[in-house]
Amino acid sequence: AQTVTQSQPEMSVQEAETVTLSCTYDTSESDYYLFWYKQPPSRQMILVIRQEAYKQQNATENRFSVNFQKAAKSFSLKISDSQLGDAAMYFCAYMYAGGTSYGKLTFGQGTILTVHP
Amino acid sequence: KAGVTQTPRYLIKTRGQQVTLSCSPISGHRSVSWYQQTPGQGLQFLFEYFSETQRNKGNFPGRFSGRQFSNSRSEMNVSTLELGDSALYLCASSPLGGETQYFGPGTRLLVL
Repeated sequence: AQTVTQSQPEMSVQEAETVTLSCTYDTSESDYYLFWYKQPPSRQMILVIRQEAYKQQNATENRFSVNFQKAAKSFSLKISDSQLGDAAMYFCAYMYAGGTSYGKLTFGQGTILTVHP
Repeated sequence: KAGVTQTPRYLIKTRGQQVTLSCSPISGHRSVSWYQQTPGQGLQFLFEYFSETQRNKGNFPGRFSGRQFSNSRSEMNVSTLELGDSALYLCASSPLGGETQYFGPGTRLLVL
């Protein structure tokens, strides 16, 4: 079974600084997707960024970028120029891209990010 | 496009009752997945529906069931509620089920 581990229960960053959230996963598959979702206090789950396993290039979305290390099964999220609105719980998630695992995301335990003004 | 909508947003029930939650996906999305979020267990996959068929199911008891209608709207039902069913129930939609999921605001269920 696939597992996703976020080893940092809490992180904090100063506004305008950079922070990196860690995620490791375990899978025997070679074709999958990895995601970072953000869940603010409103509890609405918001997609931050997505990475396809077959792509060597790391995904980037504005101030958000990932460091995808397939061999090490590591998928960290870097937030640059942190803003107060970035404060939220961040979840790393895995989805197998084939077989019968339709529509199933496996989530990590989450990392609470606090942004200090 | 309108996002994923879920109704109701909040619900209070008592043990032994049953509850039905509704999810309307993004227009054009045919896959709907359901998740349970609790402080102790985190986010857990319940099931996924596509074209009115359940294609995937998580490790939950049979009290948890769902269905999908021809317009892709989905409902999930929990029968004989237990205190441990108190949770945030999230649904997510995607075009075909094997790619990025977009989440609704959730239904917060409290079982007393």
